[in-house]
Amino acid sequence: DQQVKQNSPSLSVQEGRISILNCDYTNSMFDYFLWYKKYPAEGPTFLISISSIKDKNEDGRFTVFLNKSAKHLSLHIVPSQPGDSAVYFCAARGVTGGFKTIFGAGTRLFVKA
Amino acid sequence: KAGVTQTPRYLIKTRGQQVTLSCSPISGHRSVSWYQQTPGQGLQFLFEYFSETQRNKGNFPGRFSGRQFSNSRSEMNVSTLELGDSALYLCASSLAPPNEQFFGPGTRLTVL
Repeated sequence: DQQVKQNSPSLSVQEGRISILNCDYTNSMFDYFLWYKKYPAEGPTFLISISSIKDKNEDGRFTVFLNKSAKHLSLHIVPSQPGDSAVYFCAARGVTGGFKTIFGAGTRLFVKA
Repeated sequence: KAGVTQTPRYLIKTRGQQVTLSCSPISGHRSVSWYQQTPGQGLQFLFEYFSETQRNKGNFPGRFSGRQFSNSRSEMNVSTLELGDSALYLCASSLAPPNEQFFGPGTRLTVL
């Protein structure tokens, strides 16, 4: 039962262009969403989050958009840089289940120089 | 401030054996969660501990168990290893749920 889905296993983008990573969820009780970035041989690191009471959160080159009616969120990276090449995980949590965090399968982003 | 540490970093075992992985959270953090990462499956939640009590458990068989000590350090144990248990096991700590989690580098377990 995949409650958080990242349907694109990989994405390739040219340096300087926009990267858009998508995530869908099924549980309407989720109220907090996070994006993590993972480099090889390292653990995931927190990138940006959004509460369900907002529809947008911005932090530098990273913006997360939340569409609650569609149960969809996306991460925009503008402009993309080669150092952004990593695996990006979408995650969600809510009161139901005691706040345990559910992760998607991840999307591998390649930013070409 | 030291980050989350996990030992060992790499481990090779054979089917039927058991294994114990260790996680030391960031100082002051009282919540520890464990995840299994396999290709194409993302991070699968194993369990979460807070103040030595298991608060949440994922959908894994009883061969997977864990515990947390009074100093917040945590261990997870997998008994009767199967080939499918080969994965990266990640530990994450936070001050307390549902605060932001900080991940360790993981333990790469290979079962032959």
